[in-house]
Amino acid sequence: EIVLTQSPGTLSLSPGERATLSCRASQSVSSSYLAWYQQKPGQAPRLLIYGASSRATGIPDRFSGSGSGTDFTLTISRLEPEDFVVYYCQQYGSSPPITFGQGTRLEIK
Amino acid sequence: QVQLQESGPGLVKPSETLSVTCSVSGYSISRSYFWVWIRQPPGKGLEWMGSINHNGNTYYNPSLKSRVTMSLDASKNQFSLRLRSVTAADTAVYYCARADDYKGWFDPWGQGTLVTVSS
Repeated sequence: EIVLTQSPGTLSLSPGERATLSCRASQSVSSSYLAWYQQKPGQAPRLLIYGASSRATGIPDRFSGSGSGTDFTLTISRLEPEDFVVYYCQQYGSSPPITFGQGTRLEIK
Repeated sequence: QVQLQESGPGLVKPSETLSVTCSVSGYSISRSYFWVWIRQPPGKGLEWMGSINHNGNTYYNPSLKSRVTMSLDASKNQFSLRLRSVTAADTAVYYCARADDYKGWFDPWGQGTLVTVSS
């Protein structure tokens, strides 16, 4: 089973700043089969990024993904107030099981 | 536009079987894709439970495999999850979602249904 470790657990930033969220895998994620999701309170997760770097339909271009192998990054270039929620990474290259990271909470500084 | 909607019992007693159904609109589940169950205990992270494809082939999380069964009902355009011998640790919001493949990302998701295991 591939274990995903997200860091930091909580990230404190201000609107307009740049956010960099990390997701590290315990072994290589094949074919960059890595996705990122955003979850707002009381809502289901929403797909942001798939294939490590492809934006899902309707996702603003301030969200970008990068990385390969065991190290992946979600970058939010200019934080908007609605971006201060929880983010999860997911690997789907080694299945079963598909696994998620434990999440990073983005909070307003 | 594909939409998914979960329905569940709300409350299940320990040792009983939890059953949750996902109703799909805007797409026929018997045509293609994989249909997925994910759960999230209150205040915690996400756990993939398993996936079922349009032909009824299933892939389960090994940690749950002995207790879980997924099925399709094409006539109702629904798919279902059954989890046996539940305990308080199975209290969670249960989400359904769609995936391109059993190795795939999940999009879209249903809104989720909270199931509490308690006597």
